[in-house]
Amino acid sequence: DGGITQSPKYLFRKEGQNVTLSCEQNLNHDAMYWYRQDPGQGLRLIYYSQIVNDFQKGDIAEGYSVSREKKESFPLTVTSAQKNPTAFYLCASSPRRLAGGGDTQYFGPGTRLTVL
Amino acid sequence: SQQGEEDPQALSIQEGENATMNCSYKTSINNLQWYRQNSGRGLVHLILIRSNEREKHSGRLRVTLDTSKKSSSLLITASRAADTASYFCATGVGFGAGGTSYGKLTFGQGTILTVHP
Repeated sequence: DGGITQSPKYLFRKEGQNVTLSCEQNLNHDAMYWYRQDPGQGLRLIYYSQIVNDFQKGDIAEGYSVSREKKESFPLTVTSAQKNPTAFYLCASSPRRLAGGGDTQYFGPGTRLTVL
Repeated sequence: SQQGEEDPQALSIQEGENATMNCSYKTSINNLQWYRQNSGRGLVHLILIRSNEREKHSGRLRVTLDTSKKSSSLLITASRAADTASYFCATGVGFGAGGTSYGKLTFGQGTILTVHP
């Protein structure tokens, strides 16, 4: 059963706490991405990784950190430095291509984070 | 800033009618993609059109791309209540060295489509 999974589905955090969102894929994709979605808004890129042990900041990386120690996994940590972390977080992956840029992305079901 | 901007922000139609959504973008692209998102769920890829293509079909979906106007449209024909969702365009510009590119996309803010039975 191939796909991309995220856990947990719902997460509640107290102010000042760090939390880690899980993202796992068994599609053998090289690239993985984290997006943030606020109500009624599109997706904004937080971090992306093209290959194991490498990742790049996206448009809104401040207050977030990631690691890519395994091809299958790309966890996102929301740190206490993120001032407004309540949002819907989406993880995605895409296969490696030789040319063409902008590959189809496959999304997980998302994690809804609420700061209490 | 968002690369893609969609119009309209919301669209409400009756079952059986056609739904047209538009997307405009600012910079040169390699391809443009459309995704669908049901409420509270992840996005699902619908269709990809490359910069050298003008029109593409997939089932009840028809996508056009006008690179001179930097715009695209998604047409859903004979809509159904199950088509109710948010629809996003995403542009791929490519990045990478040595002839390889990876799939970084920039998403628009989406069109909320409601199809009434």
